[in-house]
Amino acid sequence: GENVEQHPSTLSVQEGDSAVIKCTYSDSASNYFPWYKQELGKRPQLIIDIRSNVGEKKDQRIAVTLNKTAKHFSLHITETQPEDSAVYFCAASIKTGRRALTFGSGTRLQVQP
Amino acid sequence: GAVVSQHPSWVICKSGTSVKIECRSLDFQATTMFWYRQFPKQSLMLMATSNEGSKATYEQGVEKDKFLINHASLTLSTLTVTSAHPEDSSFYICSARVGPAATNEKLFFGSGTQLSVL
Repeated sequence: GENVEQHPSTLSVQEGDSAVIKCTYSDSASNYFPWYKQELGKRPQLIIDIRSNVGEKKDQRIAVTLNKTAKHFSLHITETQPEDSAVYFCAASIKTGRRALTFGSGTRLQVQP
Repeated sequence: GAVVSQHPSWVICKSGTSVKIECRSLDFQATTMFWYRQFPKQSLMLMATSNEGSKATYEQGVEKDKFLINHASLTLSTLTVTSAHPEDSSFYICSARVGPAATNEKLFFGSGTQLSVL
């Protein structure tokens, strides 16, 4: 099955700085890579996703890059704000079919004002 | 976006009792729902995949007699933790796929249930 590794486990940045979270996956058949943001005790919220036929995707201050050859993908948050503080999870799976998402271990991002 | 309603949001029970958690898709039909378990400061671990009208598919290491899953309709899946013990205390969260295309691109989560077993 799929195995997703995520680093770092915690990340502290100053407000306005950039934050980068990295994930690797094991199954070359995976073609869908979403990122979720989860606040304490709340449901995960999809913030951005990327398909394997795309190398980069950007949405305002958030961007995701994918290196299919190396089987790794990264989340980039620019101009961080205190409200960006949360736990971020990467995930990988096949876009369609029965297989569920496999999540990374999570990164606790703390943005210091 | 689509709404997935999960109840209860938190429950405290005595050891040995059973607890039922409901996951409902409010404005769409969900042929597939997933149940995850999340320990504090850890990731979401898939427990089982629930398919409407058929038996759930459990992940390795998850006791199907302990965690009973029923998906009797296109809008409701239930997880029953039978004979709960303190080690079953955890955050349980469901997710549902929107639409007939069975795509992970349209996956929405319930709000989660914090179970505490005394």
